[in-house]
Amino acid sequence: GQQLNQSPQSMFIQEGEDVSMNCTSSSIFNTWLWYKQDPGEGPVLLIALYKAGELTSNGRLTAQFGITRKDSFLNISASIPSDVGIYFCAGPPTDSWGKLQFGAGTQVVVTP
Amino acid sequence: DAGVIQSPRHEVTEMGQEVTLRCKPISGHDYLFWYRQTMMRGLELLIYFNNNVPIDDSGMPEDRFSAKMPNASFSTLKIQPSEPRDSAVYFCASSWNGREAFFGQGTRLTVV
Repeated sequence: GQQLNQSPQSMFIQEGEDVSMNCTSSSIFNTWLWYKQDPGEGPVLLIALYKAGELTSNGRLTAQFGITRKDSFLNISASIPSDVGIYFCAGPPTDSWGKLQFGAGTQVVVTP
Repeated sequence: DAGVIQSPRHEVTEMGQEVTLRCKPISGHDYLFWYRQTMMRGLELLIYFNNNVPIDDSGMPEDRFSAKMPNASFSTLKIQPSEPRDSAVYFCASSWNGREAFFGQGTRLTVV
């Protein structure tokens, strides 16, 4: 079945460093979503991408919809302690509208 | 808007008992999703509704699981009988377009 491969699985970075993570799929996606989850909370939507090649920013976060439509990237610039959490990519395959699937997540740990 | 509201936040029950999880989606959202999150399997889509109609329930693990959406403002996920392996965090999410999903805070279920 459909699978989203997210990497890296975890990242340990120092405050002020930039963070990059990516997500790939075996199917073409029309939408890529990026979420962040804090402990004990539900995932929170950070960025939504709708067009191949699209580059969208939300504060220090920048995400890109890959040209092949099978991948997406998320960058966090100048990380701060509150960036700690699990970041998920998600999307519905083009042949399954509404069947929103999630990657396994990237755990980000920021040290002072 | 208050966001997606789930209840209870925590549930501890004995094996064999019936468990009912409740969800109130964001007003005006036509899509409702039920997810289960575990360390081993991540975020799994169990079922989703569009305009109160179940569209895809292929993620429902077994016949012990059932979900209903009697109206646009309420949904339930029922497990009967419950088993220890059902222990997980269950999330409800709603969406206006079937893609950007907004999550509740989840129900942490423990079956002993």
